[in-house]
Amino acid sequence: NAGVTQTPKFQVLKTGQSMTLQCAQDMNHNSMYWYRQDPGMGLRLIYYSASEGTTDKGEVPNGYNVSRLNKREFSLRLESAAPSQTSVYFCASRTTGGNNSPLHFGNGTRLTVT
Amino acid sequence: AQSVAQPEDQVNVAEGNPLTVKCTYSVSGNPYLFWYVQYPNRGLQFLLKYITGDNLVKGSYGFEAEFNKSQTSFHLKKPSALVSDSALYFCAVRDPRGRDDKIIFGKGTRHHFLT
Repeated sequence: NAGVTQTPKFQVLKTGQSMTLQCAQDMNHNSMYWYRQDPGMGLRLIYYSASEGTTDKGEVPNGYNVSRLNKREFSLRLESAAPSQTSVYFCASRTTGGNNSPLHFGNGTRLTVT
Repeated sequence: AQSVAQPEDQVNVAEGNPLTVKCTYSVSGNPYLFWYVQYPNRGLQFLLKYITGDNLVKGSYGFEAEFNKSQTSFHLKKPSALVSDSALYFCAVRDPRGRDDKIIFGKGTRHHFLT
């Protein structure tokens, strides 16, 4: 029972490099999310997708792009990484069968940009 | 647009004493509110959620939360804290009238076990 799977677990990038963080869920959830966690800033929403084929900006979308590839997968892309994007990134998903169904989180990706 | 605030960065409670972690919110209408916990070097786990009409909601690990509509608060409580409750606690809110599914979090409150 995998739940939400994020890859990679760790990544180090140089400034200006690009990369894609992968997220997949096997719970048939409609909604998927990307958050970043920084000390003292809590969890901030980057992008989310309420259904396959739709994406919306969250609180801090600048410098990121997303793709909802299908119902299972939601990827986050950094086109030109900056040190300010050093963070822990969490993917989450939830069913929209109930209005207050909770989020299920992946284990996170720790990204360092030098 | 919805917002959520956790006014305390940290709370320190001795084992056996009551633990309270505060959360206030701003949405239009009845909110969808949640509490999550993050143990050291772990991911986030769901603790409990507000259910419309229930002012006291019970959740996992002996936690409960008190909803107060007039004060727009949803404080997390545990009557008798354990050492193992040392963690980072997050409050989250979803606007019920939003046509999308945006869920935002507070900045988190860290609970340290007070010796």
